[in-house]
Amino acid sequence: EAGVTQSPTHLIKTRGQQATLRCSPISGHTSVYWYQQALGLGLQFLLWYDEGEERNRGNFPPRFSGRQFPNYSSELNVNALELEDSALYLCASSVTGEESGNTIYFGEGSWLTVV
Amino acid sequence: EDQVTQSPEALRLQEGESSSLNCSYTVSGLRGLFWYRQDPGKGPEFLFTLYSAGEEKEKERLKATLTKKESFLHITAPKPEDSATYLCAVQGTTSGTYKYIFGTGTRLKVLA
Repeated sequence: EAGVTQSPTHLIKTRGQQATLRCSPISGHTSVYWYQQALGLGLQFLLWYDEGEERNRGNFPPRFSGRQFPNYSSELNVNALELEDSALYLCASSVTGEESGNTIYFGEGSWLTVV
Repeated sequence: EDQVTQSPEALRLQEGESSSLNCSYTVSGLRGLFWYRQDPGKGPEFLFTLYSAGEEKEKERLKATLTKKESFLHITAPKPEDSATYLCAVQGTTSGTYKYIFGTGTRLKVLA
């Protein structure tokens, strides 16, 4: 069974541009989570989607946004890129986050470099 | 405030030298505690989920235990391939919604 898949693996953008990252969850999972992991730092929660709706949002500015599609895949958009947005962006999925105790499984991540 | 603290930040072991990693947590309404392994530049790989105090789970050289305030990841006779960052996370309830909170990890280096 396929795990969480993310694309692209690497992305290089110029400051001020927009970046779009994509994620396909494990089959049967309806919740998708996005995390940012800057070099040497911990996982920072960005967004949580379930059944097509945004359920929770971390302490990030509005230029970080996303959406979840009817097939439960998701994309993360980062507008007006800044140098400090350079990081590994991790997508995870679970069998609905609306229940307790569900394990979240991660993809391999997308490296975003802003120059 | 919900919080997860992992210690030590870094740990160097000789091959075969057993040790334990600690994850202390403060969370409203613990629903699950999760351990992951993360290799450099890769996504976290799921290891264990624990739900209640007293629960234990094992996988190869790893054993995870849970109390009401902390969890331990015991590594028995580690090998160099066990070198990685080990992350702990908890799921709690905040304002009526579930939330996953991650610690900053323990960087483990096992020397041959």
